[in-house]
Amino acid sequence: AQSVAQPEDQVNVAEGNPLTVKCTYSVSGNPYLFWYVQYPNRGLQFLLKYITGDNLVKGSYGFEAEFNKSQTSFHLKKPSALVSDSALYFCAVDNAGGTSYGKLTFGQGTILTVHP
Amino acid sequence: DTEVTQTPKHLVMGMTNKKSLKCEQHMGHRAMYWYKQKAKKPPELMFVYSYEKLSINESVPSRFSPECPNSSLLNLHLHALQPEDSALYLCASSLRPGTEGSYEQYFGPGTRLTVT
Repeated sequence: AQSVAQPEDQVNVAEGNPLTVKCTYSVSGNPYLFWYVQYPNRGLQFLLKYITGDNLVKGSYGFEAEFNKSQTSFHLKKPSALVSDSALYFCAVDNAGGTSYGKLTFGQGTILTVHP
Repeated sequence: DTEVTQTPKHLVMGMTNKKSLKCEQHMGHRAMYWYKQKAKKPPELMFVYSYEKLSINESVPSRFSPECPNSSLLNLHLHALQPEDSALYLCASSLRPGTEGSYEQYFGPGTRLTVT
């Protein structure tokens, strides 16, 4: 079975400061890891993904994420937060070749609020 | 064009009604998905179509009936729903199914369904 944990329900950060949204995962095989963002009354929007290779993945809107295999983590980061980054963020995993292959498992989501 | 469209945006239906949700993409994607999402919760996978064939049904009640008439269209037929079925219904598509690799999903804006 595959699972994702986002340990923080909410993250608050001041505009201009760096932000981190945490994600840890559990899979039996090789993970495909994704970050999605959801703005109010909208669908989810893909930000970035990790498949293999470089542990630092760069994505849309200045976001990046660091894959850490030993800690089974895939934290989302941005060097300088914007008020417009305020949204609900979901980490998701697919277990390449595992029993749940082809199905995304989402974390519970983290509400990011960036204060002016 | 990286857009998934969904109609209608809002739908209110009684428990005896029959209605349909529609999803469309013109990106040449060969996998399409239906998700159900409650407020501030992660999306829950309902169905996956791969190459126009139903490949995953997450034990969804038969009052939800999916249909994929062609590679660009996905419908969700609703009949005799319950109030607890009220939610945001999201459609998504990916270039290929997840069983063929790590393909990110593109989500539509959703249909806000209220069952009275």
